[in-house]
Amino acid sequence: GAGVSQSPSNKVTEKGKDVELRCDPISGHTALYWYRQSLGQGLEFLIYFQGNSAPDKSGLPSDRFSAERTGGSVSTLTIQRTQQEDSAVYLCASSLSNANTEAFFGQGTRLTVV
Amino acid sequence: QKEVEQDPGPLSVPEGAIVSLNCTYSNSAFQYFMWYRQYSRKGPELLMYTYSSGNKEDGRFTAQVDKSSKYISLFIRDSQPSDSATYLCAMSVIQGAQKLVFGQGTRLTINP
Repeated sequence: GAGVSQSPSNKVTEKGKDVELRCDPISGHTALYWYRQSLGQGLEFLIYFQGNSAPDKSGLPSDRFSAERTGGSVSTLTIQRTQQEDSAVYLCASSLSNANTEAFFGQGTRLTVV
Repeated sequence: QKEVEQDPGPLSVPEGAIVSLNCTYSNSAFQYFMWYRQYSRKGPELLMYTYSSGNKEDGRFTAQVDKSSKYISLFIRDSQPSDSATYLCAMSVIQGAQKLVFGQGTRLTINP
């Protein structure tokens, strides 16, 4: 596609429910990144993929968070048993490779846990 | 103390003014320095990318890195209302966009 596409744009969920956030990177980009932007905070790194493998998951805040990428393309970030502190904008980015610093971000998914 | 410190503002200046945005950092291992612009409800957009120390100019934008002082700056000349956005600095020890460390962002408004 023309840019990084994320869905849904907005998600309101009840505390304790599971949510799935989807990212469709730019075609041909092998590296894919998930970041989280909380109110009053900068962006914080969650996880990145090179192809379908995730060499670095160190930013995932707890074992309730997981992500996968299939076919070297679409990625899904799953949050289980959501908590209010999970409320944030979840941003996905992609780049040509993990050696390429120019990453293109999607518009993000605004998650609100009530 | 955060690894990257950035004044959140807000900063408001008249159209045509020169804008100076700054970040300080504590990790001397950072080698790659970036500035992103983020409009409301949009994802960050890469503006400038600099490796190590020095200046880089692109149109009305100039990025400066002073590794000895652990200080980076973004200058915007002839500022326009369309420059109104949040500006985020970001840094990395390694090449690539994994594990970028971002500042909090400075909200900038250019008044016509």
